[in-house]
Amino acid sequence: EAGVTQFPSHSVIEKGQTVTLRCDPISGHDNLYWYRRVMGKEIKFLLHFVKESKQDESGMPNNRFLAERTGGTYSTLKVQPAELEDSGVYFCARGAIGTASQLNTEAFFGQGTRLTVV
Amino acid sequence: GENVEQHPSTLSVQEGDSAVIKCTYSDSASNYFPWYKQELGKRPQLIIDIRSNVGEKKDQRIAVTLNKTAKHFSLHITETQPEDSAVYFCAASIAAAGNKLTFGGGTRVLVKP
Repeated sequence: EAGVTQFPSHSVIEKGQTVTLRCDPISGHDNLYWYRRVMGKEIKFLLHFVKESKQDESGMPNNRFLAERTGGTYSTLKVQPAELEDSGVYFCARGAIGTASQLNTEAFFGQGTRLTVV
Repeated sequence: GENVEQHPSTLSVQEGDSAVIKCTYSDSASNYFPWYKQELGKRPQLIIDIRSNVGEKKDQRIAVTLNKTAKHFSLHITETQPEDSAVYFCAASIAAAGNKLTFGGGTRVLVKP
């Protein structure tokens, strides 16, 4: 398996509510990424953590999205308040085992969280 | 930033035939090109990748070619089987940019028995 667990697998919330998605990679992975696929379109990058630090958050849509990675282990992505256009599948991915310097390697994806905002 | 175009968006082939998916990228600094297969409701799964110092790579029925000059790369699946039916994504990344992946729009492949 990919060694990335995401939950919940599905979430249905009303517009204006808050939702928190969680990603648990197996230990030993400095690099953690969040991606999103909206309405059958391409998978788009949201942000990249190196340990607990945000290395690149250029893909975050707006300030309603907040990602954290406490202690460089699991990560959360909170959407507050949720809007209809936030619906989609949110994927978390880890880099290959190793340190932050080991880039240009495979990314292993979790199963994703399907978020539906109604 | 990087832009990746993928064609075709849908591809229907007869079992046993070959399937080819093509991608182009815009940033000549990109140096890693993975291909992911996503079956319905499942995670995107890496099936093959190629780095910029290699022109071609093969793994059983799957092969990928890279033309750095033209900035395009292709996925070739030979002797297609019904279980090859899925959405395939190409992607490009630059190690110096944190290896974030820029994906193509995906190709829905249907292999007809």
